[in-house]
Amino acid sequence: DVKVTQSSRYLVKRTGEKVFLECVQDMDHENMFWYRQDPGLGLRLIYFSYDVKMKEKGDIPEGYSVSREKKERFSLILESASTNQTSMYLCASGPRGHRQPQHFGDGTRLSIL
Amino acid sequence: QKEVEQNSGPLSVPEGAIASLNCTYSDRGSQSFFWYRQYSGKSPELIMSIYSNGDKEDGRFTAQLNKASQYVSLLIRDSQPSDSATYLCAPGYGANSKLTFGKGITLSVRP
Repeated sequence: DVKVTQSSRYLVKRTGEKVFLECVQDMDHENMFWYRQDPGLGLRLIYFSYDVKMKEKGDIPEGYSVSREKKERFSLILESASTNQTSMYLCASGPRGHRQPQHFGDGTRLSIL
Repeated sequence: QKEVEQNSGPLSVPEGAIASLNCTYSDRGSQSFFWYRQYSGKSPELIMSIYSNGDKEDGRFTAQLNKASQYVSLLIRDSQPSDSATYLCAPGYGANSKLTFGKGITLSVRP
C-alpha cells in the first residue's frame, strides 16, 4: 500500500511565523503535490514537484514556497504565516504518467492565530 | 482555467437505493478520470479510475465516461450508510498526473 505521511495532524502557529509542513512518501513516486482544502472552495493546488529539486506553481502559490531535496520528501513553507492561511493542507504523491492517480496523506489542520 | 462541475448536493438516498453522482469537465484534453471518497475529517481516498468511454464496474461502484459530452459519473448500487461521504470528481491533465478537483458532492444514505 502507498503510504504518504504528513508530519503533523494539527498545528497551531502565530501570525508572522515561518511554518514548515513536511510530507514523506514510501513508494518512490516522481510526483508530489501540496493542496489546501477550504469549505466551499474544494481542493486547490498550491505547488507540485515532478522530480528532485524541480517544482512548479499551482493555482494558489502566493505566500508559499516548497522544497524537494530528496525524492521521498516534499516540504511546504509558509514564509510569514497569515490568518488567511488557516486551512487543511493535504500532501499527495503519484507516479509519472497521465493515467496515474494521486494518493493522499492524512492532512494537517493548520490554525494561524 | 480548467473547470469541474459536480451536480449540486447534498444528495440523500435510502439504504439499498442507487446513488448517481455526476460531473462535467471543461478540458477536452483530459485523458484520465478519478473518483475519490472523503469521509468527514479524513483525506480523500481513491475509489475508481476510468480512461475510456463507456462503463467500468468495481463491486457496487460503476464509473461512466462520455468524452464527447465531457461527462463522467459514478453510480453506487445497493447504497449503504457507510457510503455516506463527500465524493470528488478529478479529471487528470498533462504528463505529470495533475488533477483538477470538483468541489464534491455530499452523499447521505438513510438507514
